[in-house]
Amino acid sequence: KAGVTQTPRYLIKTRGQQVTLSCSPISGHRSVSWYQQTPGQGLQFLFEYFSETQRNKGNFPGRFSGRQFSNSRSEMNVSTLELGDSALYLCASSLQADRNPLHFGNGTRLTVT
Amino acid sequence: AQSVTQLDSQVPVFEEAPVELRCNYSSSVSVYLFWYVQYPNQGLQLLLKYLSGSTLVESINGFEAEFNKSQTSFHLRKPSVHISDTAEYFCAVRVIQGAQKLVFGQGTRLTINP
Repeated sequence: KAGVTQTPRYLIKTRGQQVTLSCSPISGHRSVSWYQQTPGQGLQFLFEYFSETQRNKGNFPGRFSGRQFSNSRSEMNVSTLELGDSALYLCASSLQADRNPLHFGNGTRLTVT
Repeated sequence: AQSVTQLDSQVPVFEEAPVELRCNYSSSVSVYLFWYVQYPNQGLQLLLKYLSGSTLVESINGFEAEFNKSQTSFHLRKPSVHISDTAEYFCAVRVIQGAQKLVFGQGTRLTINP
C-alpha cells in the first residue's frame, strides 16, 4: 500500500507570494491533518479534515487555509508569505478516528526568501 | 489543554549501550500516547503507541515504552542501540474521543557513537 504522498518536496517562494501544497493520503484514509515543523516551534498542528470538512484548527492566522476533496486528497494554501513561514509542512492521514495512529508523509520543505 | 515535555534535547550514547528518552505529559483528560521517529529529510514514522491495556508496549526494532499514569510519563527505552537508531524522537499525546490532533514534545536527538 502506498504511503502518504506530498508534493512538491521542496519549494522556494518570495515574501508576499502564495503557495499551495498537496497531500495524497493512504488509500482508504479519510482523515488528513497538516502540521508545521520549525526548529524554534517544533511540530505545530495546523488543521484536520475529514470527509471534506474541517474538523479542527490550530492557532495559525487566516493566511493558512486548506481543503479536502471527495477522494480525500488535501491541499493547504498559505497566502502573503512571510519569512517565518519557512518550515517543513507535514501531512498525515488516518482511518476514521480515535484509536488509529497518524501516518505521515515526507513533507514539503518551504523556504521563503 | 495538553502539553508534552521531553526532558533531553540531545542524547549521545555509544553503540550497543542502553538508552532512555524521557517524556512527561500533562492533561486533564485521558490521552493516547505515541512515540514517532524522524530520520533526516523524512517525515515522522510511528514507533509505538499506548492506547489501553498493558502499560508496556514494544516496537518491532527493540524499543519499548512504559506508560506510568501516576507519574504521567511515557519513557522510551532500548537495551542496546545501533548506529541506525540515530534520529530524532518525538513523544506525542492525543485526547481520547477528542480532536484528531497530536500534541508533540520538542523532540530528542539521539546520536549513536561507534
